[in-house]
Amino acid sequence: QLQLQESGPGLVKPSETLSLTCTVSGGSISSNSYYWGWIRQPPGKGLEWIGSIYFSGSTYYNPSLKSRVTISVDTSQNQFSLKLSSVTAADTAVYYCARHGGSGGSWTSSQIDYWGQGTLVTVSS
Amino acid sequence: QLVLTQSPSASASLGASVKLTCTLSRGYSSYAIAWHQQQPEKGPRYLMKLNSDGSHSKGDGIPDRFSGSSSGAERYLTISSLQSDDEADYYCQTWGTGIQVFGGGTKLTVL
Repeated sequence: QLQLQESGPGLVKPSETLSLTCTVSGGSISSNSYYWGWIRQPPGKGLEWIGSIYFSGSTYYNPSLKSRVTISVDTSQNQFSLKLSSVTAADTAVYYCARHGGSGGSWTSSQIDYWGQGTLVTVSS
Repeated sequence: QLVLTQSPSASASLGASVKLTCTLSRGYSSYAIAWHQQQPEKGPRYLMKLNSDGSHSKGDGIPDRFSGSSSGAERYLTISSLQSDDEADYYCQTWGTGIQVFGGGTKLTVL
């Protein structure tokens, strides 16, 4: 059974960089059939896609966050990571990592089919 | 622009059925979507992928009480024999090349 687990600081100061890692177990991040993504959910609000990465390193980002987001992959550790720079209180949210379809790098069938349990990141001084 | 629209809330009685709707924006009526359930204080769980022709494939362990159907730009999630733990937020999700989109979610109350 595939499992995804987020890890990282739960508190980040304004203007600093938020950094999270997702560790994948029960499956290989190097599969050419999937993308690996980050989604966030501010308290009491809906879901917002942040970005996704393919095992080769190809990335796609939400245009509204693109200037502040970097997603990277470490296939040797079966992990992928998120960095969000210049954070403000508006970036306070539960951050989820997830897997979605991406056979051969395409987005033909890109439903999210596995989610991590999520980690709350609070931006506050 | 690819947008998904959901009603903010729905309610139905224990043991009854409910049909939730997700509407694709104009020009995108052929797109597939996915449905996800988020119970209180938990992360989302994948329910199913739903195609424009109404065919669907469910995630592991999703009961037969959950089914999907489609009509034009509308995608439906029907939950039958409602149970108390079906009370949750339900999100639809779709995608284009290089982009993921979520609906605003429907909060389902089981009376």
